[in-house]
Amino acid sequence: KAGVTQTPRYLIKTRGQQVTLSCSPISGHRSVSWYQQTPGQGLQFLFEYFSETQRNKGNFPGRFSGRQFSNSRSEMNVSTLELGDSALYLCASSLDGRVYEQYFGPGTRLTVT
Amino acid sequence: GQQVMQIPQYQHVQEGEDFTTYCNSSTTLSNIQWYKQRPGGHPVFLIQLVKSGEVKKQKRLTFQFGEAKKNSSLHITATQTTDVGTYFCAGRAPQTGTASKLTFGTGTRLQVTL
Repeated sequence: KAGVTQTPRYLIKTRGQQVTLSCSPISGHRSVSWYQQTPGQGLQFLFEYFSETQRNKGNFPGRFSGRQFSNSRSEMNVSTLELGDSALYLCASSLDGRVYEQYFGPGTRLTVT
Repeated sequence: GQQVMQIPQYQHVQEGEDFTTYCNSSTTLSNIQWYKQRPGGHPVFLIQLVKSGEVKKQKRLTFQFGEAKKNSSLHITATQTTDVGTYFCAGRAPQTGTASKLTFGTGTRLQVTL
């Protein structure tokens, strides 16, 4: 079974721009969660989607948004990028997200200059 | 909101020594999961504990879930260089009508030298 894939793997953007990251979950998994990982803040939960609906949201500003498609693939968007948005963005998929373990993708390394 | 702390933040051991990381939640958890992230890698699921007082073993790794379901520990016996990485616990509060999010602990970075 193919694992979670994320594209692109690396991205360099300028402050003020916007970015869209993509995540393809493991086949059959309906829950997709997004996390931001930085050296100082650890793994911070962004949001979780299940069957195209946002089921939970972390404490991030409205510049961070996401969506999930009918095939469970998910995208997250960050608008008006700030230097502090530089981080590793991890996507994780799960059968249903409530009980089962999460499988993480390799992440997208975003650098904002 | 729910907070999950881990101690220590960092530990450096000699190969063959034991290692323990502790995970403490500010609220009762319905279950707790443990993940390992190798340097440059992504978190990989290790195990899930559900019952109060539960103990599970995976070769040299022993996982415990506290009686009050607010804390957990991971103990590695006779560490090896392959154990290097950051260990995260992740807990979910009992559902109360809306789905609760999985909150990751602050992580413990383990360094093992020969």
